[in-house]
Amino acid sequence: DAKTTQPNSMESNEEEPVHLPCNHSTISGTDYIHWYRQLPSQGPEYVIHGLTSNVNNRMASLAIAEDRKSSTLILHRATLRDAAVYYCILRDSAGGTSYGKLTFGQGTILTVHP
Amino acid sequence: GAGVSQTPSNKVTEKGKYVELRCDPISGHTALYWYRQSLGQGPEFLIYFQGTGAADDSGLPNDRFFAVRPEGSVSTLKIQRTERGDSAVYLCASSSKTGALTFGSGTRLTVV
Repeated sequence: DAKTTQPNSMESNEEEPVHLPCNHSTISGTDYIHWYRQLPSQGPEYVIHGLTSNVNNRMASLAIAEDRKSSTLILHRATLRDAAVYYCILRDSAGGTSYGKLTFGQGTILTVHP
Repeated sequence: GAGVSQTPSNKVTEKGKYVELRCDPISGHTALYWYRQSLGQGPEFLIYFQGTGAADDSGLPNDRFFAVRPEGSVSTLKIQRTERGDSAVYLCASSSKTGALTFGSGTRLTVV
């Protein structure tokens, strides 16, 4: 599986934007970039995913570098409820399947200060 | 129900005993995944099902671990001769064609 590299931890203040980086220099052409987050004592939660173009949804935005070797998850206004571990994961879509396993790394622990 | 349900939420068992962990996926989701998570680590993949069959069981650590999904819905993860190192939170997830996984809250297994 292609690997990702994320900072161990980041801090933010409430109501400020947060940019969570992810490096994936060995990404292949069929790898989608997925982001999940895990709040304390809960299972992981899907946030967003993309292939080449930037993506927006109600939770966040995903900015993908032109060479696809890095991406950034953007939380536009952090709240205390956004404090979680954020995982950046590459998922192979070769063969047209969207069901392959996700391989989680250590993720980035995001702390949000009031 | 609306989400993925896992039972029991907590299980304490003695070393050497057999345990079963149950997962009820979201209705209509054809793919079902099992992960386990130790404290301070990311979830570790165990196995996933597409319908009734195991599509990828490469994460099962050894032959004490087995999972079934006989009717393509509910799944059971079975652990024989439990060891203290099996203590972890076992997470189940299901997904539809969109590919996004929806996780349950997990079963915390403690082997004493």
